[in-house]
Amino acid sequence: EIVLTQSPATLSLSPGETATLSCRASQSVSIYLAWYQQKPGLAPRLLIYDASNRATGIPARFSGSGSGTDFTLTISSLEPEDFAVYYCQQRSHWPPGFTFGPGTKVDIK
Amino acid sequence: QITLKESGPTLVKPTQTLTLTCTFSGFSLRTSGVGVGWIRQPPGKAPEWLALIFWDDDKRYSPSLQSRLTITKDTSNNQVVLIMTNMDPVDTGTYYCWRSDLDHWGQGTLVTVSS
Repeated sequence: EIVLTQSPATLSLSPGETATLSCRASQSVSIYLAWYQQKPGLAPRLLIYDASNRATGIPARFSGSGSGTDFTLTISSLEPEDFAVYYCQQRSHWPPGFTFGPGTKVDIK
Repeated sequence: QITLKESGPTLVKPTQTLTLTCTFSGFSLRTSGVGVGWIRQPPGKAPEWLALIFWDDDKRYSPSLQSRLTITKDTSNNQVVLIMTNMDPVDTGTYYCWRSDLDHWGQGTLVTVSS
């Protein structure tokens, strides 16, 4: 079974700074990794799919990279609305299907 | 415009069976490539994918919950139903309906399992 690990658990930054979030898979998922943003009381929103492709309407300050087992989500010049929880999700293997990581909370320093 | 909306009980007792209905609009589950499924999220925890049904009636389940889950579709009424048996307090959380290929989510429905 594929396990996703995210680090750090919490990232405290100021607006305008750059956030670098990591997701590691216990075995290769090729490029089939997605990133989601979630704010309190709302459903997760897809940011990145296939490791590096921005979803429709996602600002260019969000970028994804990586392949195999190691992936990174970079948020350049944090805006106030970017403070949220971010989850990675693998879509490579059946089973187990669409596994989510435990999340990284980006909060205001 | 694509919309999905979950409906079902907000409170169930331990050992009971949960039945949730996703009613969607703006697309058809007869269209090739379309999949609709369910994802849940316990309070303060990460989402967990549960089940998915495709346009061709292919069904996929989370291995850890497969024995308790059944997913079906009613194409004529644009609905997908999830049945989860033997509910336990650890099953408390928000249950989301989700179109997998375009990544559209419903607003979610909070289900509490308590006696």
